[in-house]
Amino acid sequence: GQNIDQPTEMTATEGAIVQINCTYQTSGFNGLFWYQQHAGEAPTFLSYNVLDGLEEKGRFSSFLSRSKGYSYLLLKELQMKDSASYLCAVRDNYGQNFVFGPGTRLSVLP
Amino acid sequence: DAGITQSPRHKVTETGTPVTLRCHQTENHRYMYWYRQDPGHGLRLIHYSYGVKDTDKGEVSDGYSVSRSKTEDFLLTLESATSSQTSVYFCASKGEPGGTEAFFGQGTRLTVV
Repeated sequence: GQNIDQPTEMTATEGAIVQINCTYQTSGFNGLFWYQQHAGEAPTFLSYNVLDGLEEKGRFSSFLSRSKGYSYLLLKELQMKDSASYLCAVRDNYGQNFVFGPGTRLSVLP
Repeated sequence: DAGITQSPRHKVTETGTPVTLRCHQTENHRYMYWYRQDPGHGLRLIHYSYGVKDTDKGEVSDGYSVSRSKTEDFLLTLESATSSQTSVYFCASKGEPGGTEAFFGQGTRLTVV
């Protein structure tokens, strides 16, 4: 079966750091993806991990532990524009399909 | 960003009528996908295509059909719309198997009354 869990909502303060967790149990694995989705808009790609460890891209970092079925997205120096939903997705063994988690709605407060 | 567009962007239709949503991409991507997004469920895969005339079912395919006669176009048809199909529909595309992320269209908000 396919199961991906994320917290439903999170709140943080402008300038702070927030960590959004994702746990997964899937029948196959070929990469863990994070997408950002602003209300009423399309999801946009943020980061990709296929090996264990941390990938850093500016203010955003993503971590993966395949043995634990666990990933997190770390957002530093939060800005108001970071208020959005963050979607965790696992790509299957064949590298073709993606299974998405329910998404985490992040609200950044002044 | 990949050039991927959906039409229409908004549609209201009556229960029992057929509806077709169109996805058009200009990136020559091999893989295309249709998802629906509902509160509490995230994005769920309806159907996908791995080439012209090659399609397969996803997690929530009942009541939906697809066609892909050209690389750039992927059509989603609701054969007889029901209120449970009220949703936001997203199309996405991806290059070859080695390609990483999928790129999404802007979405179609469909309301079945």
